[in-house]
Order: sequence, then C-alpha cells, then structure tokens
Amino acid sequence: EIVMTQSPISLPVTPGEPASISCRSSESLLHGNGYNYLDWYLQKPGQSPQLLISLASKRASGVPGRFSGSGSGTDFTLEISRVEAEDVGGVYYCMQARQTPYTFGQGTKLEIK
Amino acid sequence: QVQLAQSGAEVRRPGASVKVSCKASGYNLNLYYLNWVRQAPGQGLEWMGWINPKIGVTHVAQKFQGRVTLTRDTSIVTAYMEVSGLMSDDTAVYFCARGALITFGGQTATPFDNWGQGSLVIVSS
Repeated sequence: EIVMTQSPISLPVTPGEPASISCRSSESLLHGNGYNYLDWYLQKPGQSPQLLISLASKRASGVPGRFSGSGSGTDFTLEISRVEAEDVGGVYYCMQARQTPYTFGQGTKLEIK
Repeated sequence: QVQLAQSGAEVRRPGASVKVSCKASGYNLNLYYLNWVRQAPGQGLEWMGWINPKIGVTHVAQKFQGRVTLTRDTSIVTAYMEVSGLMSDDTAVYFCARGALITFGGQTATPFDNWGQGSLVIVSS
C-alpha cells in the first residue's frame, strides 16, 4: 500500500501569518489522465473530517480562498495564505486516492505559536 | 442539503459483531460511492471500503476482508457496515462518507465531500 508521510506533525502558527504542510507519498499519485489523486481534509476537534482540496489543487465548494494545494507525483503541499483563528486546533490530513487501500497521512495539528 | 445520519454508539464484547447504519438525505444515494472510514481514539483516519449503492458492488480493504461487510437498502436510502469478530482494537469512531459520482471508467471513489457524524463502537469485555 502507498504510505503517506506528513510534516510537520505539529505546526505552531501565528494568526495572520502563512502556514504550509508537506505531504509525501511512497509512490507517484500522478495518473495517466494528468490528475494527481491527492486530497486534503481538516478535522476540527469533536467533528467529522471535511474536504478542503481534491486532486491536489481543486478547492472544495465553500472552502475559503486562503487554502490552496499544490504538488505533483510524490510531493504535495497545503498552504494557508493567512491563518485565521478557526484554522487552529484542527488536524489536517492528506489522503492518496491513486489506488486502494486509500491511505491517510498521520495528520498535522495547527497550534497557536 | 446533503446529510448522512449514522446510528448511535454501541458496546460489544470481543468476538461479537456490530452493524452501523448511514441514512442518506439530500441527494440520490444510487449516484455516489459510499465509503467507510474509521478513527481509533486519539489516532488518525483509516479507510475501510466503499459500496456502489446502485448495484451493491463493494470493495473492502484487504486488511478488513472476511470481517467487514458493506450492504445497502436503497428502499430506505441507508447503507450499512458490519464488522464481525470484534477485537479491542476495533474500538473506534466509524464514519460513512459520500464519495465520487459513479461514472463508467471512473478512476476513484473519492473525494469524500460529505461525512456522517460518526458512530462510536466500543469493544470491551
């Protein structure tokens, strides 16, 4: 199975400042159709996960524009242009959907610096 | 709006079975994959499998094959996940999540754009 590795595991952030999370896969997530099958989810405390980004860079409906995804192959990044208070405290997961079993990274928790 | 309403918490003895339900509303259940994901206490997310509700075809992760059964009852727009031979490390919150629109030649059952609220299953003697 494809192993997903996120870094860092904990990210101290300052509201108003940018933040970046890295996600690496043990195999390429690039399909022959040109899409990278990599999604990003946010799980706020006590809540179900919510979709942020699909296909590496496609922002989900209703997701604020400060969230963006990039990368291809085995290296991906989730960026928050300006962290807001509501972004902190949650755990961000990347997940590969290139092949089953779909696998998640171990998660990155955003914390106040 | 799209909603997935899951059944309540369950407590089971080791070796028993549990069946979790997921009732869909706000969309046509038959048109989208329905996935199951679990999360052990304080741990990350683990994908378990999907079902094509229209035709009942399933794909269960190898880790869970033989123990996990995915079914659906389209007449009541509800999907089910049953786990047998429960062990203590099956203690987790189990989520259903709507996946991709089902299309011919589609590459994946993702992304998971709507999630249920989760169903806690506790396995304890």
